[in-house]
This record gives sequence, C-alpha cells and structure tokens, in this order.
Amino acid sequence: DTAVSQTPKYLVTQMGNDKSIKCEQNLGHDTMYWYKQDSKKFLKIMFSYNNKELIINETVPNRFSPKSPDKAHLNLHINSLELGDSAVYFCASSPAGARETQYFGPGTRLLVL
Amino acid sequence: GQQLNQSPQSMFIQEGEDVSMNCTSSSIFNTWLWYKQDPGEGPVLLIALYKAGELTSNGRLTAQFGITRKDSFLNISASIPSDVGIYFCAGRSGGADGLTFGKGTHLIIQP
Repeated sequence: DTAVSQTPKYLVTQMGNDKSIKCEQNLGHDTMYWYKQDSKKFLKIMFSYNNKELIINETVPNRFSPKSPDKAHLNLHINSLELGDSAVYFCASSPAGARETQYFGPGTRLLVL
Repeated sequence: GQQLNQSPQSMFIQEGEDVSMNCTSSSIFNTWLWYKQDPGEGPVLLIALYKAGELTSNGRLTAQFGITRKDSFLNISASIPSDVGIYFCAGRSGGADGLTFGKGTHLIIQP
C-alpha cells in the first residue's frame, strides 16, 4: 500500500556512467516532482511534471532528464554522472487542485565514485 | 531565486519541553507548509497553511502563517522522543509547482 515508491534505494556508480531512478505513485495524483537533497540536508526542486507541462529548475544541468511513461510514473535519467551529483533524490506527487500538499517517496541515495 | 531562512539550525532540548522554530522569507508565499524528515526517510507533511494569519494545530503541533505572508512559525508542545528529526518549512508561490524549502531545524531530545 506504498503511496510513493522509488527504486533503487541505494545507487553506487562510477563517474561518467548513465543511470536511472524510478518513481511510482499509486495515489492517483496528476503532478509529480523530483527534488535533490544535498549533504547538508538542503532540499531543492529539480522538476515538476504533469501531463500538460514540464517545469524545470533552471539550475539543473541538462544531463538530468525526467521521463514519464504514464501518469503514475516519473523516472529520472542522469547522463555522464559527476561527483557532485552524489545526493539523495526524492520523488514526490500532489493531487490536482492541491499542489502544495506534496507526498514524498523514501529517497534514492546516489553515490558517484 | 527565493530563499527561506529557517532558525534555529538545531535544538537540544529535554523531553517534555516546548519547541519553537520559524521561517522568514524576503518574498511573499501563498502557502506555507511544515514537514518532518526522519533519518532515512522522505519528508512527511505536518501542517499546511493557506491564509495570512491562519493558525492551525495538528495534535501537539501548532503553526501560523504570518500576516505579512513572509514568515511562519511551528511550535511543538510537551516534546516526546519520537519528535526527534529534521523539521523543514516550505513555501509555495502562486503558479509555481515546486516548493521552496528552508534549511531545516534539527531537533534533538536529551533523555
């Protein structure tokens, strides 16, 4: 009965690799998000997406790309991983008409070596 | 971009004490929210505030949306061990979907 789920929970990889993180929500929400939490616990929005529009935080490198196969999924693909990409990545979702009430997944801990 | 100043950065308190933390912003938000994050987990929504001056409670937690729409506070009464964690304020502006988060208040309860 998990609301927002992410896989994998841990991801350790080499610099230069390409990786994907998957997110699924079973809440019937229409908007999904990706956030990055750095080592100092600072949370920053990366993307918000619904079936109508993608809003990108202008500070996010274009090596990061969200892909949504359907309304319940928003995956995050990262090309040419760099050391500075190491962080915890959180997926979230929100219902139509209440986009401020966002429900977060458990996070994916990415370590780039 | 917008920034939220959250204070204090950390708090060391005794069980049973009351806790107060706040957030201020240089710009106006239409919605203020408070989240709690436990170790190894994602943030969980505690309270959402929608109107300037609004005061809302959730059990032992009380939060207020400042009149100027540039600040909010969260109080926790009679703290218990499970209150330990990181508390984040967050704001949302009209038309923007992503939340702007404060840097968090680490709450540590000493036995």
